[in-house]
Amino acid sequence: DSGVTQTPKHLITATGQRVTLRCSPRSGDLSVYWYQQSLDQGLQFLIHYYNGEERAKGNILERFSAQQFPDLHSELNLSSLELGDSALYFCASSVRSATNEKLFFGSGTQLSVL
Amino acid sequence: GQQLNQSPQSMFIQEGEDVSMNCTSSSIFNTWLWYKQDPGEGPVLLIALYKAGELTSNGRLTAQFGITRKDSFLNISASIPSDVGIYFCAGRRDNTDKLIFGTGTRLQVFP
Repeated sequence: DSGVTQTPKHLITATGQRVTLRCSPRSGDLSVYWYQQSLDQGLQFLIHYYNGEERAKGNILERFSAQQFPDLHSELNLSSLELGDSALYFCASSVRSATNEKLFFGSGTQLSVL
Repeated sequence: GQQLNQSPQSMFIQEGEDVSMNCTSSSIFNTWLWYKQDPGEGPVLLIALYKAGELTSNGRLTAQFGITRKDSFLNISASIPSDVGIYFCAGRRDNTDKLIFGTGTRLQVFP
């Protein structure tokens, strides 16, 4: 158990809908990262938050947004969903934003858009 | 987005055999990490490397930070069935905290 909690574990929805994925980082970790993993693909970096502030953006679509709350949990919002958004979405946390920090991953949310 | 190139893409080996896989980049990295992902789970950190030439072991796993800083290697000795999974390398370049992941090596171990 990495200590990173993601909910829900599975989510099935229809095209055009909006969903929210939730992540609770490990106790004491200030950084939260979101990654997308499509079928047979590697992990694509979406966005990074540190202590409530956005620190870096990757290949995140404009239809997607995220935030980190004062209690350090984070939410990833996906709107106007398309079939191609079906993927595993992982959250990871680390103690702080530094170049030698290790990321610890949650078990992911499997999103299926039908 | 940018990804690191891992090879081989997949491996099918017999229990007890040794395994080698590598990860290459066109850019220099100052950190290399190796993760293992079991089906339906998130990646789990295996080994972290912070210095060129560094060789680090974790049980039957050994990883090396390449001298050129553009590659890393992971070896698994005497493989067992629970080694099955996808192995990802990840690297971080200087002056950035974005971790870039490799394309993964899928390992299958047969008894």
